[in-house]
Amino acid sequence: GDSVTQMEGPVTLSEEAFLTINCTYTATGYPSLFWYVQYPGEGLQLLLKATKADDKGSNKGFEATYRKETTSFHLEKGSVQVSDSAVYFCALSGSWGKFQFGAGTQVVVTP
Amino acid sequence: EAGVTQFPSHSVIEKGQTVTLRCDPISGHDNLYWYRRVMGKEIKFLLHFVKESKQDESGMPNNRFLAERTGGTYSTLKVQPAELEDSGVYFCASSQNRLTTGELFFGEGSRLTVL
Repeated sequence: GDSVTQMEGPVTLSEEAFLTINCTYTATGYPSLFWYVQYPGEGLQLLLKATKADDKGSNKGFEATYRKETTSFHLEKGSVQVSDSAVYFCALSGSWGKFQFGAGTQVVVTP
Repeated sequence: EAGVTQFPSHSVIEKGQTVTLRCDPISGHDNLYWYRRVMGKEIKFLLHFVKESKQDESGMPNNRFLAERTGGTYSTLKVQPAELEDSGVYFCASSQNRLTTGELFFGEGSRLTVL
């Protein structure tokens, strides 16, 4: 079945550092890919998405490109801030909108 | 517009007791999903309602879990009797669009602790 694998955390880095969170997937067909973020004390919210191969999703300085050849959707941000501290979930949407999520990667950004 | 709301935010019960979690989706969203995250692992799908009908309940762990969606509005998830391994965060999400490009809107989750 469909599955998502993302790098384990926690990832700890200093403010203004470069962030990469790896995500790979296994799916039949052509899923849509998503990154969701959960800030402390809040629910998950959509960060960005890509619906077809080679699409790039971007939001709040984050980017991820849908790579069909490597079945990947890595999340990147060039310069993180303390406010980016959160748990990040990679996800795919298959048939009927059923989402598969990765285990989440906790990111801690220190001043 | 109100978002997805869940109640309670945290519940602590003893093994063998019953707990009922409630979810109010965004008004007008026909699709309602329940997910669960246990011990910091991946968020796992439990079931999917389209209006009041169960579209997919393949993720429900066992018959101790019962989900309902009255009149296609709010939904409840009952665990009876609760076991230790049921502890985790239960998320509810809703969406308007059934297509694969649709975005899910999540509630803040209900944390269940079974002692």
